[in-house]
Amino acid sequence: KAGVTQTPRYLIKTRGQQVTLSCSPISGHRSVSWYQQTPGQGLQFLFEYFSETQRNKGNFPGRFSGRQFSNSRSEMNVSTLELGDSALYLCASSRQGNEKLFFGSGTQLSVL
Amino acid sequence: GIQVEQSPPDLILQEGANSTLRCNFSDSVNNLQWFHQNPWGQLINLFYIPSGTKQNGRLSATTVATERYSLLYISSSQTTDSGVYFCAVDNTGNQFYFGTGTSLTVIP
Repeated sequence: KAGVTQTPRYLIKTRGQQVTLSCSPISGHRSVSWYQQTPGQGLQFLFEYFSETQRNKGNFPGRFSGRQFSNSRSEMNVSTLELGDSALYLCASSRQGNEKLFFGSGTQLSVL
Repeated sequence: GIQVEQSPPDLILQEGANSTLRCNFSDSVNNLQWFHQNPWGQLINLFYIPSGTKQNGRLSATTVATERYSLLYISSSQTTDSGVYFCAVDNTGNQFYFGTGTSLTVIP
């Protein structure tokens, strides 16, 4: 069974641009959550989707948004990029949400 | 949110040594997991352990939910065990709080 797939693996953007990251969960998993990892703040929860509905959202500005499609694939979007958005963005999937989490390899975003 | 503290923050071991990593959390939880992040950033799930004890090869974990802590034991450490170990907890059903991690270096 394929694992969680995140694309792209690396991304370089400039301030003010927007970016879209993609995540394909493990087959059969309906919950997809996103986390931001930085050296200063560690791993922080962004949001979680289940059956195309956002069930929970972390403490991030509205520039961070996401969605989930009917096949459970998810995208997250960051608009008007700031230098502080440079981070490793990790996607995780699980069957229902409150179970064992499986992470993708992440997308390393650099904002110049 | 739930506060998660991990100790020690850094650990250096000789290959073959044993170690214990600790995770304390500030509120009752219904889900606790341990992860290993390798040097390439990949987070590998080691244990899903909201309570009790589990073992997987050289690794074992114990969670005492009533006292709000969990322990990860690594025996006969190998260089491939190097990396950062994270504890993550949840009490809402879909939002995990991560500790700051324990960085482990195993020296040959």
